[in-house]
Amino acid sequence: DGGITQSPKYLFRKEGQNVTLSCEQNLNHDAMYWYRQDPGQGLRLIYYSQIVNDFQKGDIAEGYSVSREKKESFPLTVTSAQKNPTAFYLCASSGTSDTGELFFGEGSRLTVL
Amino acid sequence: DAKTTQPNSMESNEEEPVHLPCNHSTISGTDYIHWYRQLPSQGPEYVIHGLTSNVNNRMASLAIAEDRKSSTLILHRATLRDAAVYYCILRSYGGSQGNLIFGKGTKLSVKP
Repeated sequence: DGGITQSPKYLFRKEGQNVTLSCEQNLNHDAMYWYRQDPGQGLRLIYYSQIVNDFQKGDIAEGYSVSREKKESFPLTVTSAQKNPTAFYLCASSGTSDTGELFFGEGSRLTVL
Repeated sequence: DAKTTQPNSMESNEEEPVHLPCNHSTISGTDYIHWYRQLPSQGPEYVIHGLTSNVNNRMASLAIAEDRKSSTLILHRATLRDAAVYYCILRSYGGSQGNLIFGKGTKLSVKP
């Protein structure tokens, strides 16, 4: 079945460590997105990519990095420079040629100990 | 990017219709109106979208004001499974597909 897969679902990290969250899609979508969600809040955009080997910063990119070497993959690295990384992270994808729906993964919950 | 405004929360009784409002007074001519909903600890799921005309699908109906500055998501018969946070966002056709702004949405509670 087509869709978006995020892993891991839960992740614990010690302060000062980098961690990479995986996002894979088999929908043949050009655009992919990473959002952060804090308790009781909406989604805030971290990075997005409209095409392979290209990506743009969203509203809260500081302390995060991404790569887009393959169309189906858009990993997010939470670096030690991110001051408050504990959050729920959501990956999404969509076709860029239309205004159809965004498809979201099930999310990755990161907790910094 | 154009922004939307929604009430923080709403309540409904099971099997009654629910009307979820959204204001988007700065909408541009190329903006589509999208609705998503999010269950606890899950990613948002698509509900419906439209441009100018009212839209219906198996999940809901979308009523768009004639001036397009507001819209209403209609759940015809609320069930307990409809309890979620509902987001109204604007998505521009032909422009950048990035920076889709999700606000806090409306938290819908459904009472049995």
